Amino acid sequence: SAVISQKPSRDICQRGTSLTIQCQVDSQVTMMFWYRQQPGQSLTLIATANQGSEATYESGFVIDKFPISRPNLTFSTLTVSNMSPEDSSIYLCSVLLTSGGTLYWAQYFGPGTRLLVL
Amino acid sequence: QKEVEQDPGPLSVPEGAIVSLNCTYSNSAFQYFMWYRQYSRKGPELLMYTYSSGNKEDGRFTAQVDKSSKYISLFIRDSQPSDSATYLCAMSASGGYNKLIFGAGTRLAVHP
Repeated sequence: SAVISQKPSRDICQRGTSLTIQCQVDSQVTMMFWYRQQPGQSLTLIATANQGSEATYESGFVIDKFPISRPNLTFSTLTVSNMSPEDSSIYLCSVLLTSGGTLYWAQYFGPGTRLLVL
Repeated sequence: QKEVEQDPGPLSVPEGAIVSLNCTYSNSAFQYFMWYRQYSRKGPELLMYTYSSGNKEDGRFTAQVDKSSKYISLFIRDSQPSDSATYLCAMSASGGYNKLIFGAGTRLAVHP
């Protein structure tokens, strides 16, 4: 497995502002993903970020609201723009790695960024 | 109807009990099934990974997949207070390469 870190771990922001969340991995990975975990709800994929290409967004998520950068194979950022209280959530990055000695590829998650928008 | 249904609990059991956690799904294209454990204020941790139908055992944990019934289970034997966490089932049609569809998670509390 790999060590995945996220910054900040938590933040409280005012509506209308933007926050950039960083995801750092200690090894090179091709695929990184960004998820949202709203209170009491399941994780929902926001977008897939591959190095060297534009991020691919899921239905209901748009680049203007959630711009993503993937400048190299160990780092990605997600920006939550023009925030409203509805954006209060946990934001998680995940990376694609081989699953513990098997031939399967699985997603491993960072610790998450807890965002509260007032 | 959600693609993946999971009883949110909470489920409270005494230490040493056998715990059964379950998810049902509607998409017959799902081939890869995962269980993640999430402690409070932590990210999800991959616990079990299975492909297609059958059983997989890892220590005190057993994952079962019944594709004919679209039903997956996670069994925890000899449960410990350290097993207290939220358990998330996840599945996809093509392994980890694409988005995982998660259940809402079941909160488990194992009391001494």
